[in-house]
Amino acid sequence: KQEVTQIPAALSVPEGENLVLNCSFTDSAIYNLQWFRQDPGKGLTSLLLIQSSQREQTSGRLNASLDKSSGRSTLYIAASQPGDSATYLCAVTGRDGNKLVFGAGTILRVKS
Amino acid sequence: SAVISQKPSRDICQRGTSLTIQCQVDSQVTMMFWYRQQPGQSLTLIATANQGSEATYESGFVIDKFPISRPNLTFSTLTVSNMSPEDSSIYLCTGGEPTDTQYFGPGTRLTVL
Repeated sequence: KQEVTQIPAALSVPEGENLVLNCSFTDSAIYNLQWFRQDPGKGLTSLLLIQSSQREQTSGRLNASLDKSSGRSTLYIAASQPGDSATYLCAVTGRDGNKLVFGAGTILRVKS
Repeated sequence: SAVISQKPSRDICQRGTSLTIQCQVDSQVTMMFWYRQQPGQSLTLIATANQGSEATYESGFVIDKFPISRPNLTFSTLTVSNMSPEDSSIYLCTGGEPTDTQYFGPGTRLTVL
């Protein structure tokens, strides 16, 4: 059974700092991995999708990497801003391609 | 990217009643998914809904408690039946192939008193 773990559970940083969020998964036989953002009381916003054959994806100040063999992904946020404050979730789709398995999330607070 | 809408956005319900949540996708999709997010928790898949067939439920979720309809390729409903305070959660839907980017609806925040 696939399990997804995110570290740290919470993170508080000053504005402008570069930061890394970590995601690990127990079964490396994945189809893809996605990073999402969730604002309090809201739905999920898709940030980046990495296919299993890819090593990284970039969107603006965000860069996500994937090391499938070691079961790890990182989300790098450059020059963090208060507007980046949210919960960040990673999720993997298994080889059966049937569903997403989510991690518990990292709560990020960027202080101005 | 797909646009997902949900109704209602939030509701407060009494114990023992039922609530039906609607999910609309702006394009035709084969699969639709319903997730639950309990307070302070991550998302857990309730069931997968395919048009023209019975929904497939995950372990711990049963049809009598969470009946699902999928009348066409752009719409689905989830009913939370005989509610208890433990059902207080955010319910989210998404549609499309799980191998593609998943776009979620805004969610339905349910409080059961």
